[in-house]
Amino acid sequence: QLQLQESGPGLVKPSETLSLTCTVSGGSISSSSYYWGWIRQPPGKGLEWIGSIYYSGSTYYNPSLKSRVTISVDTSKNQFSLRVSSVTAADTAVYYCASLSIAASQTFDYWGQGTLVTVSS
Amino acid sequence: DIQMTQSPSSLSASVGDRVTITCRASQSISSYLNWYQQKPGKAPKLLIYAASSLQSGVPSRFSGSGSGTDFTLTISSLQLEDFATYYCQQSYSTPNTFGQGTKLEIK
Repeated sequence: QLQLQESGPGLVKPSETLSLTCTVSGGSISSSSYYWGWIRQPPGKGLEWIGSIYYSGSTYYNPSLKSRVTISVDTSKNQFSLRVSSVTAADTAVYYCASLSIAASQTFDYWGQGTLVTVSS
Repeated sequence: DIQMTQSPSSLSASVGDRVTITCRASQSISSYLNWYQQKPGKAPKLLIYAASSLQSGVPSRFSGSGSGTDFTLTISSLQLEDFATYYCQQSYSTPNTFGQGTKLEIK
């Protein structure tokens, strides 16, 4: 069973870059059965898909964030990462990483526990 | 973007009740519809994928149906642990989009 764990700073200053890493265990990030994704949830609000990546490096981003987001993968470390540039208070959210099962209609089947990132000076 | 609209936004029910939550897509998404349960402070948990397939380990009181634009999640007999917020999500096209959520509360 896959396990995912987010890591990174919990506080980021406005205009700076948010950086998070997701470490995958219990399976290989190079599996052809999965994409890997980032989803966020502002406090008290709903879920927003940020983007996804395949182990080959192919990426898909939400157009609403595309100009500020970069997702990358490090197969040697079984990790994938998220960078969001020029952050504002609106980027304050719990950030989740998740696996997307290709066989199960690209469903987010395993999730990390989430990490709260606050944008504040 | 495909808009996902859930109804109701909140719902009060009692243990043992049968509950139905509806999700409507702004355009046809075939059966690319998934349901998640989220409890406070926790990550969402996959319940149903491809509109009607029960995720492994999820109790059989949960079921999903629908195709095209209209979908439902049904809980046949509510248990105490089912009180949570439920989200639908389309995986037909990017950007993947979620419904706004339905909060299921104890009556």
